[in-house]
Amino acid sequence: RKEVEQDPGPFNVPEGATVAFNCTYSNSASQSFFWYRQDCRKEPKLLMSVYSSGNEDGRFTAQLNRASQYISLLIRDSKLSDSATYLCVVSLYGSSNTGKLIFGQGTTLQVKP
Amino acid sequence: EAGVTQFPSHSVIEKGQTVTLRCDPISGHDNLYWYRRVMGKEIKFLLHFVKESKQDESGMPNNRFLAERTGGTYSTLKVQPAELEDSGVYFCASSHPRDPGRGTDTQYFGPGTRLTVL
Repeated sequence: RKEVEQDPGPFNVPEGATVAFNCTYSNSASQSFFWYRQDCRKEPKLLMSVYSSGNEDGRFTAQLNRASQYISLLIRDSKLSDSATYLCVVSLYGSSNTGKLIFGQGTTLQVKP
Repeated sequence: EAGVTQFPSHSVIEKGQTVTLRCDPISGHDNLYWYRRVMGKEIKFLLHFVKESKQDESGMPNNRFLAERTGGTYSTLKVQPAELEDSGVYFCASSHPRDPGRGTDTQYFGPGTRLTVL
């Protein structure tokens, strides 16, 4: 079983649509949670951290459910520039103290005109 | 501020040859990480340096891989001898020293080295 599971997609949506991605993680000791964005043939870049209380950054909203070990990302009013692969990432920092990131395989989003 | 840089951007070698990848972290970042993405798989952790010391090398696949960070600045990852399954994209990331009160640190990734073993 993968440590972080995501639906690989692709998700094909029209501009202006709302799209939601989900992921689950297997290790209940996970302490930190993130969404990274990766454009084709580029490096991953931090999109946002995810907190238990939920957090929002403009059109992006992230939610964490520790009981269900479930993380979500909602993108409202999709733009063409949102087309990318979205990586669900967790860290065991706090218990292992190494800070290594554990990645999901990524969900591909294609926003079409 | 310059980001994480990696060299080379691409490398094509034959099975059995040696390749050395280099990573220059963001200046002042004590933490340096190596990750790898093989085709069709997720990005996986290889190892973590704090300054010049190996903090965690649990992700290193086998003893054909050797990572160093002499002087706590740049790092090299040597693969010797390379095998076909070593093909993939090797990412380096760096982060500030961890502030215990702030939780985990943001890791900034380099552009990666795309390694092809023929």
